[in-house]
Amino acid sequence: DIQMTQSPSSLSASVGDRVTITCRASQGIGNYLAWYQQKPGKVPKLLIYTASTLQSGVPSRFSGSGSGTDFTLTINSLQPEDVATYYCQKYNSAPLTFGPGTKVDIK
Amino acid sequence: EVQLVQSGVEVKKSGESLRISCKGSGYSFTSYWISWVRQMPGKGLEWMGRINPSDSYINYSPSSEGHVSMSVDKSINTVYLQWSSLQASDTAMYYCTRLVGAAENWGQGTLVTVSS
Repeated sequence: DIQMTQSPSSLSASVGDRVTITCRASQGIGNYLAWYQQKPGKVPKLLIYTASTLQSGVPSRFSGSGSGTDFTLTINSLQPEDVATYYCQKYNSAPLTFGPGTKVDIK
Repeated sequence: EVQLVQSGVEVKKSGESLRISCKGSGYSFTSYWISWVRQMPGKGLEWMGRINPSDSYINYSPSSEGHVSMSVDKSINTVYLQWSSLQASDTAMYYCTRLVGAAENWGQGTLVTVSS
């Protein structure tokens, strides 16, 4: 089965900073990659699908890129409400594996 | 509005059986797979498997296969996740999600606590 990794596992950044999270698949998955945001104590929320398509209602400071095995989630101008754990997930075929998550907080 | 409403908190003992539910509304229930996601306390998201409500076809994750079962009752737009013998390690929050490719909609979660 394809394994998903993320880096870093956690990061601390200042309000207004640009933040980049990387997700890597152990084999190519095309662009069947989603990003989710889970705020503390809350239900996860879909941010981005097909690697770069923003889900309706998600602020435009979030963006995604990549294809094949390497993907990135970028938050331009980090805001306090972006404190959360971010997960990538492959969905080209079962199992729909999640990455281990990246915890983002404010410095 | 698409909604997934899950059953409530469960407190069980090791060895007991359990079935939790996820009821979909606001969309064509048989047109979208439903997946189950586990989140153990303080840990990340783990995909457990998915079920096609149209024909009950199921994909289980390697770690879930043989330990849980999934089923559907189309007449009431409800998907189930079931254990025949719970273990303390099953203590977790369980989410159902509607798959539109990715998991576009999530239930509110069902907290399952298993004591030994």
